Amino acid sequence: AQSVTQLDSQVPVFEEAPVELRCNYSSSVSVYLFWYVQYPNQGLQLLLKYLSGSTLVKGINGFEAEFNKSQTSFHLRKPSVHISDTAEYFCAVFGTSYGKLTFGQGTILTVHP
Amino acid sequence: GAGVSQSPSNKVTEKGKDVELRCDPISGHTALYWYRQRLGQGLEFLIYFQGNSAPDKSGLPSDRFSAERTGESVSTLTIQRTQQEDSAVYLCASASGRGRELFFGEGSRLTVL
Repeated sequence: AQSVTQLDSQVPVFEEAPVELRCNYSSSVSVYLFWYVQYPNQGLQLLLKYLSGSTLVKGINGFEAEFNKSQTSFHLRKPSVHISDTAEYFCAVFGTSYGKLTFGQGTILTVHP
Repeated sequence: GAGVSQSPSNKVTEKGKDVELRCDPISGHTALYWYRQRLGQGLEFLIYFQGNSAPDKSGLPSDRFSAERTGESVSTLTIQRTQQEDSAVYLCASASGRGRELFFGEGSRLTVL
């Protein structure tokens, strides 16, 4: 079985501040990890992914995430957020033996001016 | 088409009626997923098709829910005798190969009165 826990349901920040959205997972098999973003009234789009190799992955819009196998975490970070980053962010794990993507509950990031 | 297409985009129905939601995946994608997103909640896995293999139906919440897919083409999610708790956005996604990166449609918003 596999599961994903996003530790914060809502994260309010001010514009240009740094942000970290936390994600922990559990799986009995090796995994691929993803962050998806859902802007208001839009579908989900891929922000970044970890498949193998370097544990620090960079995605679109200046976001990055670090895979930490020992802590089973895949936290998302951005050094300076913009108003346009306001959206809901979903962490997801793909167990290589299970063949399906399991999502966390989502974190609503609200960037205030 | 270029992306995953879902129809209808919005559906309002009366309790007890049957509804059918359609997903047209990206051409050539062998994997197709259905997820449900209730208001204020994360994505709930419903069903997964991979090529001609038997689908993974482990996420279907009751026997009122069923889905079909012929080959690698269109999929239909059917909800019989709809209930108010079925109100949600139903998201379809497709992926190539082992489905490590999912491409999502815009979703079908179902409202059961």
